[in-house]
Amino acid sequence: GAVVSQHPSWVICKSGTSVKIECRSLDFQATTMFWYRQFPKQSLMLMATSNEGSKATYEQGVEKDKFLINHASLTLSTLTVTSAHPEDSSFYICSARGIYYEQYFGPGTRLTVT
Amino acid sequence: QKEVEQNSGPLSVPEGAIASLNCTYSDRGSQSFFWYRQYSGKSPELIMSIYSNGDKEDGRFTAQLNKASQYVSLLIRDSQPSDSATYLCAVGDAGKSTFGDGTTLTVKP
Repeated sequence: GAVVSQHPSWVICKSGTSVKIECRSLDFQATTMFWYRQFPKQSLMLMATSNEGSKATYEQGVEKDKFLINHASLTLSTLTVTSAHPEDSSFYICSARGIYYEQYFGPGTRLTVT
Repeated sequence: QKEVEQNSGPLSVPEGAIASLNCTYSDRGSQSFFWYRQYSGKSPELIMSIYSNGDKEDGRFTAQLNKASQYVSLLIRDSQPSDSATYLCAVGDAGKSTFGDGTTLTVKP
């Protein structure tokens, strides 16, 4: 299967600061990427759909000004958590969509806001 | 009603047994169906995809699709402790995939 990387794998930041997470598809061009958040023992929650060269589509209830998504190229999408707060602490996972609508997930980024 | 529903679980089977995971979906026009495995603390991993009615086998895994009944299943033969994970059923389309909440499987040695 296709390989998707995420960086960093974990990050600790202070409340009020911003954090950028990178998601790269390493061996194929992904026109569509997705960003998810998952709290412990809970389901995946889709935050937004990121299409290369256009604005991201956010799910209901997700603040687009707080979670900035940029899909600048066919292999890179970034998620910036702005003015992070402890309640933003979570496991953030990106995925890249394949040609048959399958998804290839990155390894995830564990964010802790202190 | 949720768009993709899975057995509430958890499901526990002895080592060597067959584990059966079930999923129903609401959109009759859906064409693409997937099973993902997620180990605790890790991200999901695609393990099976199926697009037409019938069975699709890959090693110890068999996916079954019945579009008339809007039903997808995953069978794991000769279950191993390493199969212990949460299994996510997903229905994909041109927009996004819809995931079920997952069924947690424990395989006991």
